[in-house]
Amino acid sequence: ETGVTQTPRHLVMGMTNKKSLKCEQHLGHNAMYWYKQSAKKPLELMFVYSLEERVENNSVPSRFSPECPNSSHLFLHLHTLQPEDSALYLCASSQDQASGLYEQYFGPGTRLTVT
Amino acid sequence: GENVEQHPSTLSVQEGDSAVIKCTYSDSASNYFPWYKQELGKGPQLIIDIRSNVGEKKDQRIAVTLNKTAKHFSLHITETQPEDSAVYFCAASRPDKLIFGTGTRLQVFP
Repeated sequence: ETGVTQTPRHLVMGMTNKKSLKCEQHLGHNAMYWYKQSAKKPLELMFVYSLEERVENNSVPSRFSPECPNSSHLFLHLHTLQPEDSALYLCASSQDQASGLYEQYFGPGTRLTVT
Repeated sequence: GENVEQHPSTLSVQEGDSAVIKCTYSDSASNYFPWYKQELGKGPQLIIDIRSNVGEKKDQRIAVTLNKTAKHFSLHITETQPEDSAVYFCAASRPDKLIFGTGTRLQVFP
């Protein structure tokens, strides 16, 4: 049990659908992250939130929209996705946003398939 | 640019043998180097990490070594067991994020 949960675990959606991924951390951390994991590629950092404020957006297309209503919850809203967006989406949290100093803990991920 | 190179991409060993995975980083300012293990259907799990003020760290069968001059660090697993089979990722820190390697798929055969 990592203390970071994600729902749903699997999601299949069409290109015109709108869906949301949810992440919750039970570790009392102040920072939360969204990563995209594709086959044979390094983990790609998408968004970083620190104390509910977005501090990084790595040139992610606008069809991905994050939301952080409080320090324990993180959402990723999806709309008009492309097949190449199919991947494992991982949520992580750390004690502080300075991840160079604090360990990141990952959730189990949401396997997204865009048809 | 910022990147972390990881080798090998796949590694097969017999149970009881040792396994070594190597990573090279480019940013000399990096000072934190974690290793993650990802099993099938799960997220990455932190298994060991090392900071730049030490050269080696051990935790039972797992050890990590760091050579800051050469900018490379390695994961060593001794007496491997089938449950060590997984994908292993290294990472190096920047002030605001971690840069990950591409992963090594380790298979331990009984």
